[in-house]
Amino acid sequence: KAGVTQTPRYLIKTRGQQVTLSCSPISGHRSVSWYQQTPGQGLQFLFEYFSETQRNKGNFPGRFSGRQFSNSRSEMNVSTLELGDSALYLCASRGGRMGYTFGSGTRLTVV
Amino acid sequence: DQQVKQNSPSLSVQEGRISILNCDYTNSMFDYFLWYKKYPAEGPTFLISISSIKDKNEDGRFTVFLNKSAKHLSLHIVPSQPGDSAVYFCAASDYNQFYFGTGTSLTVIP
Repeated sequence: KAGVTQTPRYLIKTRGQQVTLSCSPISGHRSVSWYQQTPGQGLQFLFEYFSETQRNKGNFPGRFSGRQFSNSRSEMNVSTLELGDSALYLCASRGGRMGYTFGSGTRLTVV
Repeated sequence: DQQVKQNSPSLSVQEGRISILNCDYTNSMFDYFLWYKKYPAEGPTFLISISSIKDKNEDGRFTVFLNKSAKHLSLHIVPSQPGDSAVYFCAASDYNQFYFGTGTSLTVIP
């Protein structure tokens, strides 16, 4: 079965702009989580959605938001981009108690 | 506050020898632990897991050990191969959420 698909793979934005990242989970998975990976910080949890509802939220400013659609696809939005937002953004889907299946990520560069 | 810690950012091992990657956690409510492996430009992939009711789980060359009293788990890779060179993340779950460590970059030298 198809894995977790994230688009786009690479993105370059200017400070102050906003960006939307997309994630399509594994078919049948209802839980989608977003993580930010930066060097030295590991995987920082952003938020988790389950059946279109945000179930958990990490310690990120309100500029980071997300949503999930009825088909479980999810989008993450970052407004008023800052240089420090440059990172690899990973989406992961989960079908049960077992661990996540991750997508390949979106590499965001803010200049 | 980092609830899952990997205190060694990097590790180098000769091919054929044992690689030991360590992970410490602070929350005694964690009951499920996983290791992920990540290559550059790819998402992490699941490697091996262990439930808190066990102290060891083995899968081929990979073995995970859990010491609940010390809140410590480790991943052993024997024998190490050059293809094992990657960043390894440990993760812990309290059923509600997964918490990841900062990763250890393993280099296996041929």
